[in-house]
Amino acid sequence: GQQVMQIPQYQHVQEGEDFTTYCNSSTTLSNIQWYKQRPGGHPVFLIQLVKSGEVKKQKRLTFQFGEAKKNSSLHITATQTTDVGTYFCAGNSGNTPLVFGKGTRLSVIA
Amino acid sequence: NAGVTQTPKFRVLKTGQSMTLLCAQDMNHEYMYWYRQDPGMGLRLIHYSVGEGTTAKGEVPDGYNVSRLKKQNFLLGLESAAPSQTSVYFCASGTRTFYEQYFGPGTRLTVT
Repeated sequence: GQQVMQIPQYQHVQEGEDFTTYCNSSTTLSNIQWYKQRPGGHPVFLIQLVKSGEVKKQKRLTFQFGEAKKNSSLHITATQTTDVGTYFCAGNSGNTPLVFGKGTRLSVIA
Repeated sequence: NAGVTQTPKFRVLKTGQSMTLLCAQDMNHEYMYWYRQDPGMGLRLIHYSVGEGTTAKGEVPDGYNVSRLKKQNFLLGLESAAPSQTSVYFCASGTRTFYEQYFGPGTRLTVT
């Protein structure tokens, strides 16, 4: 079945440093989504990418979808303590349910 | 709008006991999902529903049953709880599989 792999599993950064998490799928995806889960909270939708090579920005967050639609990345510029949490990618092919990666847990040291 | 709500928030069961987790959404979403989240394992889909009266198996369905008698409610049942079912359970809803999912606050279940 479809698998979505995410690296790294953990990332510790100093406040102000940049952060990137990567997502790779074993199959070509119809779309990829990114979610953020704060400690003790529930996943919250951040963004969806559907086009090959698509790049979207949300303030300090930049999301990319690979040309082959099998990989994606989330980059945070100048991290802040409010960025702490676990970031999940999730993708699907056609009308199948979303498959989530295992997430990257980001810690920000002030 | 309350969004997606889950009942209860916490529960402790003994091995072999049964229980039902309730998920309710007020967004008129067709699709609803049950996930479990374990440390280091991410979110794994247990069962899902594409509309009232329909259910389907996800990645880890064994030991669970579901029902969607009303569009706004999705029930997850454990007939005979096992320690391996200790987890945080999240319900989610959405308009289609292609679009974003809205998650409830979760139920933390411990089976001893």
